[in-house]
Amino acid sequence: IVLTQSPATLSLSPGERATLSCRASQSVSSNLAWYQQKPGQAPRLLIYDASKRATGIPARFSGSGSGTDFTLTISSLESEDFAVYYCQQRSNWPPITFGQGTRLEIK
Amino acid sequence: QVQVVQSGAEVKKPGASVKVYCKASGYIFTSYAMHWVRQAPGQRLEWMGWINTGNDNTKYSQNFQGRVTITRDPSASTAYMELSSLRSEDTAVYYCAREAFSGNYCSYMDVWGKGTTVTVSS
Repeated sequence: IVLTQSPATLSLSPGERATLSCRASQSVSSNLAWYQQKPGQAPRLLIYDASKRATGIPARFSGSGSGTDFTLTISSLESEDFAVYYCQQRSNWPPITFGQGTRLEIK
Repeated sequence: QVQVVQSGAEVKKPGASVKVYCKASGYIFTSYAMHWVRQAPGQRLEWMGWINTGNDNTKYSQNFQGRVTITRDPSASTAYMELSSLRSEDTAVYYCAREAFSGNYCSYMDVWGKGTTVTVSS
């Protein structure tokens, strides 16, 4: 299953709303997660099962979607949110697959 | 606290093998599966495989064509990933990551190691 993320790069300012997309080549039901990765660091799990926040993740992060189209929304960007975001599916594994990432940069 | 600690950076020649370890602490090792994921410079995350730490069952990505072997030692709370027949394209950061759900499922990854840099160069 191929995951395609858009846009490749998103330029926004702190306080703005960010909307990141992930599209699957076939239905993954709700078996999708989102991760955040900062330079030189390991990824961090943000959202699992499409819409459930992982432990300790702020409420400004939310996920939605099912089937083939998914969205990660950050309601009001803070400085520490600028990073690369990956989606990951676990339907019909192996293999587990990741999207190519969306870079969220400061405008 | 729950953490996984990986072995240090490696430099290998083409054709050699590398074995990376991942030592878990702060939880019951055999209750959670372990994933291995790699990331080549500037590239997306790539899932390599998974081990059920309770019964030693493994699943691998076909992308590695039998070159990867994941094992575990429950007595040491440690998982291992060995990659053989190394080539320059295997230069990457290799991560171990704990499965998010107990019961040795295969789904998501909630605790990640800091990564092990493997450089393949002649």
